[in-house]
Amino acid sequence: DQQVKQNSPSLSVQEGRISILNCDYTNSMFDYFLWYKKYPAEGPTFLISISSIKDKNEDGRFTVFLNKSAKHLSLHIVPSQPGDSAVYFCAARRNNAGNMLTFGGGTRLMVKP
Amino acid sequence: DVKVTQSSRYLVKRTGEKVFLECVQDMDHENMFWYRQDPGLGLRLIYFSYDVKMKEKGDIPEGYSVSREKKERFSLILESASTNQTSMYLCASRRGGGGETQYFGPGTRLLVL
Repeated sequence: DQQVKQNSPSLSVQEGRISILNCDYTNSMFDYFLWYKKYPAEGPTFLISISSIKDKNEDGRFTVFLNKSAKHLSLHIVPSQPGDSAVYFCAARRNNAGNMLTFGGGTRLMVKP
Repeated sequence: DVKVTQSSRYLVKRTGEKVFLECVQDMDHENMFWYRQDPGLGLRLIYFSYDVKMKEKGDIPEGYSVSREKKERFSLILESASTNQTSMYLCASRRGGGGETQYFGPGTRLLVL
């Protein structure tokens, strides 16, 4: 049973437009959420995170929104660039299991020039 | 800059062989992790270690063991490889004391024939 789900396996966006990647979770014990980006033949790299006490965190072109009541988070990339083309994983940490992250299945983003 | 290296990028093994995957990090991190990545399933935690000679099972430890004799090195062992262990294996490290970000190696793609 996947506790963190990314329901869209892929997303295609035109350069300059907004990319919105979504993530849903089921475990109310998750208190910290992260987004990782992965290029082919490389390990995932940390992108942005948000604590459950916040509903938004922004870093340059990247913004993560958290809706706790809906158990939903989203990553917005504005404006999208071709170099953003990668697989994006959402991850969640349980507040009683500090070392363990639960990852979603990933969304492949393709930004077309 | 954190560097996590993995001993091999690609490995081909036969069913029943013993397989060693090595991971080394150079940032004196206390915590180290082994994940496998499969399409649609994201990253799933196999084992992690929070100190030398300490280990904890993750979500899918069956068929695997680990060894951490030195702080910088974390090994994943497949005692008797099976075809369902064909996967991408990712190692990560994280500092102790509440650090959130895990830093990943480039991955080892293992094919078991």
